[in-house]
Formats: sequence, structure tokens, C-alpha cells
Amino acid sequence: DIQMTQSPSSLSASVGDRVTITCRASQTVTSYLNWYQQKTGKAPNLLIYSASTLQSGVPSRFSGSGSGTDFTLTISSLQPEDSATYYCQQSISSPFTFGQGTKLEIK
Amino acid sequence: QVQLQESGPGLVKPSETLSLTCSVSGGSISNYYWSWIRQSPGKGLEWIGYIYYSGSTNYNPSLKSRVTMSVEMSKNQFSLKLSSVTAADTAVYYCARLSSSSWNTLDYWGQGTLVTVSS
Repeated sequence: DIQMTQSPSSLSASVGDRVTITCRASQTVTSYLNWYQQKTGKAPNLLIYSASTLQSGVPSRFSGSGSGTDFTLTISSLQPEDSATYYCQQSISSPFTFGQGTKLEIK
Repeated sequence: QVQLQESGPGLVKPSETLSLTCSVSGGSISNYYWSWIRQSPGKGLEWIGYIYYSGSTNYNPSLKSRVTMSVEMSKNQFSLKLSSVTAADTAVYYCARLSSSSWNTLDYWGQGTLVTVSS
């Protein structure tokens, strides 16, 4: 299985801050890397796919980059509604494994 | 807009079989892959597997010996069975659509259903 490792596991930031979350794969996933946002008590929601493509309806303050084994999710200007846990997921090879999650809190 | 809804017992006894159904509305089950994912309390996401509308399947090797997925085209539903459950199988179970034409993303999700394994 491909192991996905996210960092940090948690972070706290202020409204307006630029926030970056990283995801590393144990082997190359080319661009088969997706990001999901999960708010408390809700199902995950697809934010970004193919490493950098914004899902329809997702605010443009979210962006993704990377290829191969190293990826980042960036929120350019943090908003209160961005408080959530963020997961990366590789979808190149079954089982489609997830990172352990990054919990983002708003100060 | 595609919508998914999980249904099934919220409590299952140890050693028994967990059975869940996902009902799809707002679109046909045809021509798509359909997935199950679970999340243990306070934990991360675990991919269980997927089934194509034609019935072909792909399961997580860690669960493969206990998992069976099926599709009911006439009802626009698909199902999950997990046998010989233990407390470690207690989790919120999600169904989701897997879009193979869009980088194998999980683009529509159900709200999730909590299944507790306890006697």
C-alpha cells in the first residue's frame, strides 16, 4: 500500500493568514492526489483533484501543487469557515489511501 | 444533483455481519464506480473498496476476506456486507461515488451512518 503522511497534524491560524499543509507519498503517485475538507460531523468534501485542479464551487483561496511524492494544499487567506480537518488521498493505486489528516483551527 | 444515503442497522453484535445499503438519487448508478469508506471514532479515513455498476469489485486487502459489495440496478442502490465484525469495526460508514473519469476522485458522498459493534 502507498502510505500518505501529512504535516502538521494540527495547526492554529488567524483569519487572513496564509496556511500550507503538506502531504508526502511513500512512492510516486504522479498527479493522482486529491484533497478533502471535513467539517465536524459531516462527510468529507472534495476540494482539489489531480493535485492542483479546483473542484467546481470551491473558493479560489484554496490551491494545490506538487507531483510525484510531495504535495501542498494552500489557503491564501484563511476564513472562519475553513476550520476543518483536511485529508490528502492518493488515487493512483488501490487501496486508495488517505493521509492521517490535518486539523485546522481558527485562533 | 447526485445524492447518496446510507441505511442499515446502527448496532451489530460481535461476530455477526454488518449490512449497509446506499441509495443513489438524482442520477443513475450506471457507468460509475461506487465506494465505501469508513472512519473510526476520532480517527482518519479508511477506504474499504469499490464496485462498478456491472458488479466488478476492488477491495482493500486489509478487509478483503470479510467484505462483499453488490449492486441492485433496479433500485439504484449498492450494498456493503462486512462479516465477523469486532469492536474495531465500529465506525461511521460512508458511501461515495468514485469518478474514474476525474482522477478517481470521490466527488459525491453520503452523510454517513454510525455502526457500533457491541453485544
